[in-house]
Amino acid sequence: GENVEQHPSTLSVQEGDSAVIKCTYSDSASNYFPWYKQELGKRPQLIIDIRSNVGEKKDQRIAVTLNKTAKHFSLHITETQPEDSAVYFCAASYGNNRLAFGKGNQVVVIP
Amino acid sequence: DAEITQSPRHKITETGRQVTLACHQTWNHNNMFWYRQDLGHGLRLIHYSYGVQDTNKGEVSDGYSVSRSNTEDLPLTLESAASSQTSVYFCASSRQGGGAEAFFGQGTRLTVV
Repeated sequence: GENVEQHPSTLSVQEGDSAVIKCTYSDSASNYFPWYKQELGKRPQLIIDIRSNVGEKKDQRIAVTLNKTAKHFSLHITETQPEDSAVYFCAASYGNNRLAFGKGNQVVVIP
Repeated sequence: DAEITQSPRHKITETGRQVTLACHQTWNHNNMFWYRQDLGHGLRLIHYSYGVQDTNKGEVSDGYSVSRSNTEDLPLTLESAASSQTSVYFCASSRQGGGAEAFFGQGTRLTVV
């Protein structure tokens, strides 16, 4: 199966600074890489995703980059705001539409 | 609006009891999944289904079972609840085809005492 590792486990940033979360995956056949945001006590919600035929995707303050050769992908959040404080999960597809998730990254934005 | 709902939201049960967690989606998705979420482990796949009468074991399936008698529902049963099954359980669904977004239910917090 797929193994997804996520670093760092906790990230504290000053409001307005950028945050970067990195993930690696093991299955070279993976072709779909979503990122989920989970606020305390809430369900995970998709914030951005990328497919293997694209190297970078941007949506307002968030962007994701994918390096298929190195099997890693990253989430970039610019101009961080207090509402960006949450746990972020990366995931990689495997098999038939299954997702393997990283262990999550707690992002704390300090006002 | 289409949605995916779980019930109950919170449950406390005793060791050894059978417990069933409900998951209902109105997206008309073929794919449905059950995950458990524990601190330090992220989301781990318990069971999944690609359609009616189809069920498959995930990475942490011991002690759990599911059934899929229609498109909308995938109930998760703990045959004999154990304290190690205290967790937050999330159901998710997605359409067929590669690269499909998974939509999550609100979660069920289960405590086994």
